Amino acid sequence: GESVGLHLPTLSVQEGDNSIINCAYSNSASDYFIWYKQESGKGPQFIIDIRSNMDKRQGQRVTVLLNKTVKHLSLQIAATQPGDSAVYFCAESGGYNKLIFGAGTRLAVHP
Amino acid sequence: DAGITQSPRHKVTETGTPVTLRCHQTENHRYMYWYRQDPGHGLRLIHYSYGVKDTDKGEVSDGYSVSRSKTEDFLLTLESATSSQTSVYFCAISESGPGRGDTQYFGPGTRLTVL
Repeated sequence: GESVGLHLPTLSVQEGDNSIINCAYSNSASDYFIWYKQESGKGPQFIIDIRSNMDKRQGQRVTVLLNKTVKHLSLQIAATQPGDSAVYFCAESGGYNKLIFGAGTRLAVHP
Repeated sequence: DAGITQSPRHKVTETGTPVTLRCHQTENHRYMYWYRQDPGHGLRLIHYSYGVKDTDKGEVSDGYSVSRSKTEDFLLTLESATSSQTSVYFCAISESGPGRGDTQYFGPGTRLTVL
């Protein structure tokens, strides 16, 4: 499949370690945030979301943290597996009907 | 892919020819979106629809038009394709707008090459 981004920042981790992927968002008025996972040749897949009235939200092996003071979002993946290898990007609600997407981070999981 | 199909999945065409991409959903969601994805640019919104026959422009709408005559179908047309429109195109759907805290779900994408 076509590469999502040839020059994306890459996070390399060992299988079984925890991964932390960061995202800085642009609009202090944004009130809804989403993390997506995109595997090569596929469409973005919803992972987890969080609203601005929350600081933390947990899913299965994933946790999203929101720091509104510094406009920062992070995705934590516990016990990273080879199947987690993909590009991850965040999105923020940039106004009615529109999401603003970050460029993404490539996660490479090594055995 | 949340009941979303895109057709064709791959297309090669020549500069100056018209091209239409189709997005079909089975979720009965009100909102539908067309994005393009290019290396170094991430996902950029082309057009979106908030109901049958209701559409609006996104940030990169020049050279593209859309139509939505039925809830389930959203068409993207390149009236006269140019090489700069070579990209991967994604359709997305949502029940309500993201301003109301609603997630967008994406289709599998169409890879378009304009020679």
